[in-house]
Amino acid sequence: EAGVTQFPSHSVIEKGQTVTLRCDPISGHDNLYWYRRVMGKEIKFLLHFVKESKQDESGMPNNRFLAERTGGTYSTLKVQPAELEDSGVYFCASSQAETAPGELFFGEGSRLTVL
Amino acid sequence: AQSVTQLGSHVSVSEGALVLLRCNYSSSVPPYLFWYVQYPNQGLQLLLKYTTGATLVKGINGFEAEFKKSETSFHLTKPSAHMSDAAEYFCAVSDREDTGNQFYFGTGTSLTVIP
Repeated sequence: EAGVTQFPSHSVIEKGQTVTLRCDPISGHDNLYWYRRVMGKEIKFLLHFVKESKQDESGMPNNRFLAERTGGTYSTLKVQPAELEDSGVYFCASSQAETAPGELFFGEGSRLTVL
Repeated sequence: AQSVTQLGSHVSVSEGALVLLRCNYSSSVPPYLFWYVQYPNQGLQLLLKYTTGATLVKGINGFEAEFKKSETSFHLTKPSAHMSDAAEYFCAVSDREDTGNQFYFGTGTSLTVIP
C-alpha cells in the first residue's frame, strides 16, 4: 500500500513568487492534515480536511496560504505571494475516519526555501 | 492550548549506551501522548503512543516510554543505542477532547550515536 506522498520534495523560489505543494494521502483516508516546521522550531498544525471540507484551518498563518482538497482525494497548499518567513518543511498527514488517536501517517515533507 | 517541551535539541550517546529523550507536556487533563521518529529523507514514523491503560508503553525498535502524570512527562528510552537509531525524535500530544485529532509537537531532539 502506498504511503502519503508529497510533491515537490524541495522547492526554491524567490520572494513574491507562487508555490503549490501537493499531497496524496493514503487511499481511503478521509482525514488530511497539513503541518509546517520552520527551522529549529516545532512542527505546527496548519489545517485539517475531512474529505473535501475544511474541518479546522485555525493554524493557517495568513491569507497568502490557500489549501484545497477537491473531490476529497489529493490536496494542494498554495503560497502566494511567498515571503521569506514561509521557508520550512511542510508535512502532510492522513488518517482514516474512525481511527484511534495517533494513527496519523506522514509524508516525507516538502521543503520550501524562499530567497 | 497544549504545549510540549523537549529538553535538549541535540543528544549524543555512545553505541550501546542508554538513550533518554525527555518530553514534558502542559495540560491539566492528561492528553494522548506520542513519539515520532524521522530518519533522514523520510517522513515521520510513529514509534509508540499512550492513550490509556498501562503507563509503560513499548514501541518499535526497542524503544519504550513511560507516562508519569505527576510529572507531566513522557520520556523516551532505549537500553542500548544502535547506530541505526540516529534520527530526529518528536514528542507530540493530542487533546482527548479534540475530535479533530490535532497534534501539538515539541521542537524535536536530534540523536547522534557515536561508534
